[in-house]
Amino acid sequence: GNSVTQMEGPVTLSEEAFLTINCTYTATGYPSLFWYVQYPGEGLQLLLKATKADDKGSNKGFEATYRKETTSFHLEKGSVQVSDSAVYFCALSSFNNDMRFGAGTRLTVKP
Amino acid sequence: EPEVTQTPSHQVTQMGQEVILRCVPISNHLYFYWYRQILGQKVEFLVSFYNNEISEKSEIFDDQFSVERPDGSNFTLKIRSTKLEDSAMYFCASSVPLSGDLSYEQYFGPGTRLTVT
Repeated sequence: GNSVTQMEGPVTLSEEAFLTINCTYTATGYPSLFWYVQYPGEGLQLLLKATKADDKGSNKGFEATYRKETTSFHLEKGSVQVSDSAVYFCALSSFNNDMRFGAGTRLTVKP
Repeated sequence: EPEVTQTPSHQVTQMGQEVILRCVPISNHLYFYWYRQILGQKVEFLVSFYNNEISEKSEIFDDQFSVERPDGSNFTLKIRSTKLEDSAMYFCASSVPLSGDLSYEQYFGPGTRLTVT
């Protein structure tokens, strides 16, 4: 079945550092891939998505590229801020299927 | 912008009691889902619902759980006899509009925090 493997962390960075959170997936067919962010005490917010191979999703300085050859969708940001501190979930979904989430990566950014 | 809503935001109940969590999905969506997230853990799929019936469910979704779409707008999750381990955040989601976006994106509600004491 479909599954997502995500770098678990926690990850602690200084402000303005470069961020990478690794995500790989296993799926049949052609799923869509997502990154969700969860701030403390809040729900899931869609951060970005990509629907086909080589698509790049981007939002708020975050980027991820759908790599079919390596079955990956790594999240990157060039310069993190304290306000980026949250838990990040990689996920995949395909038609008529439930969304499969990775374990989540807690990011803490220190001033 | 349309959004998924959930009520209540926080529910406290005693072990053995029945609870009903309510969701209003986006109005032109066809698929509805419930997920749960035990504190500090990953988001887990419970059940999906399409055309007024369950289309898929996980091993978590046992006989204590049921879902219903009692009218054209609400989608409910019922837990018949709550256990301590049911304490979690429960998220409702909806997807697949009648036309347009086919990215399989699911739109999540803000969640209901269930505390079983």
